[in-house]
Amino acid sequence: DAGITQSPRHKVTETGTPVTLRCHQTENHRYMYWYRQDPGHGLRLIHYSYGVKDTDKGEVSDGYSVSRSKTEDFLLTLESATSSQTSVYFCAITDRWNTGELFFGEGSRLTVL
Amino acid sequence: AQTVTQSQPEMSVQEAETVTLSCTYDTSESDYYLFWYKQPPSRQMILVIRQEAYKQQNATENRFSVNFQKAAKSFSLKISDSQLGDAAMYFCAYRTANTGNQFYFGTGTSLTVIP
Repeated sequence: DAGITQSPRHKVTETGTPVTLRCHQTENHRYMYWYRQDPGHGLRLIHYSYGVKDTDKGEVSDGYSVSRSKTEDFLLTLESATSSQTSVYFCAITDRWNTGELFFGEGSRLTVL
Repeated sequence: AQTVTQSQPEMSVQEAETVTLSCTYDTSESDYYLFWYKQPPSRQMILVIRQEAYKQQNATENRFSVNFQKAAKSFSLKISDSQLGDAAMYFCAYRTANTGNQFYFGTGTSLTVIP
């Protein structure tokens, strides 16, 4: 199994509070991604990173920011959480020169009250 | 952006029977990758099978096989001899082969296996 750890795994917070989700990998993979999963929508890309300090927006990036200061860590921040951001968040990694697949973390369930 | 469509939100199959899950995609690229992922109730995303677009031969992994029709932009998953453990949400995914390495997912098909 790919070494990907997400934290926290579960979090309940209130509207308007900041939230940071962490993704840590031990595979030294270049590409890291944050997805959210909602019923009827599948997985939608929030942000991704193609290297340290190199990030780009996905299709649902509004209200989210990311940072990658080290190869192994990719942080997702909700500056001011809203109820519409209640979701399951997945971190994923891939190595362009390897098998081509995405390896996923276990997911983080966030509830915004 | 590429789009991936799974037109069957739910499917069911009798144990030991065969079921086919559909997936179509829209792209202007000639080189790309396609995947099927399984998500059981544990929520973990598990790779089932992958297909490189430049390969004409359909991928097979034990009881799982695909029917890749490049011209039709279709990528269906066939599960043979269905088992109770196959019950899960299945996602079809497309990966670009060019810069960016973006992945696009369908909305998923929930598969129920009936004993």
